[in-house]
Amino acid sequence: EDQVTQSPEALRLQEGESSSLNCSYTVSGLRGLFWYRQDPGKGPEFLFTLYSAGEEKEKERLKATLTKKESFLHITAPKPEDSATYLCAVQGGGATNKLIFGTGTLLAVQP
Amino acid sequence: ETGVTQSPTHLIKTRGQQVTLRCSSQSGHNTVSWYQQALGQGPQFIFQYYREEENGRGNFPPRFSGLQFPNYSSELNVNALELDDSALYLCAGGLAGVTGELFFGEGSRLTVL
Repeated sequence: EDQVTQSPEALRLQEGESSSLNCSYTVSGLRGLFWYRQDPGKGPEFLFTLYSAGEEKEKERLKATLTKKESFLHITAPKPEDSATYLCAVQGGGATNKLIFGTGTLLAVQP
Repeated sequence: ETGVTQSPTHLIKTRGQQVTLRCSSQSGHNTVSWYQQALGQGPQFIFQYYREEENGRGNFPPRFSGLQFPNYSSELNVNALELDDSALYLCAGGLAGVTGELFFGEGSRLTVL
């Protein structure tokens, strides 16, 4: 069964303190791995798509990497506005664009 | 700006009632998917529509049903509401046959009392 596990569940950082979020997955025929950011009461906001092991993507203070079993979201010198829940999702084989999400990591960055 | 808008943003229903949630997607999206997100959980796939027909469903009972219209709008209908149906319902637009991101709306927060 396709599954996504994210860790830690919650993370508190000081402004400027870099860290990484983990997403481990099992999926039949990975078509893509996605990272989303979600603010309270809002819909998920797309950040990155990774398609194959070894791929990396960067956007401002965020960098996503992918291996055959897991993905990391690295946050460099975070700011308070980076506080949000970060969701990882995979898209496997099949006729639909169905995404299987993890439960997310709640990130709080304190000034 | 994702080009996906949902209504209503919040609503309260009582157990046993029926609810209809609406979604409007931009013309570049030919699929529409619905997700249920309970508090503290990740979104769960309900179903996807393509060319006005359901072409995939998650582990949700038949009382969850939907429609997709030619103008790229969509509806999610839930009959015989249960307390556990309380959640944020998300609509997402995408492209069939293309591996790529889904564009989510802001969601409809449903509370069942």
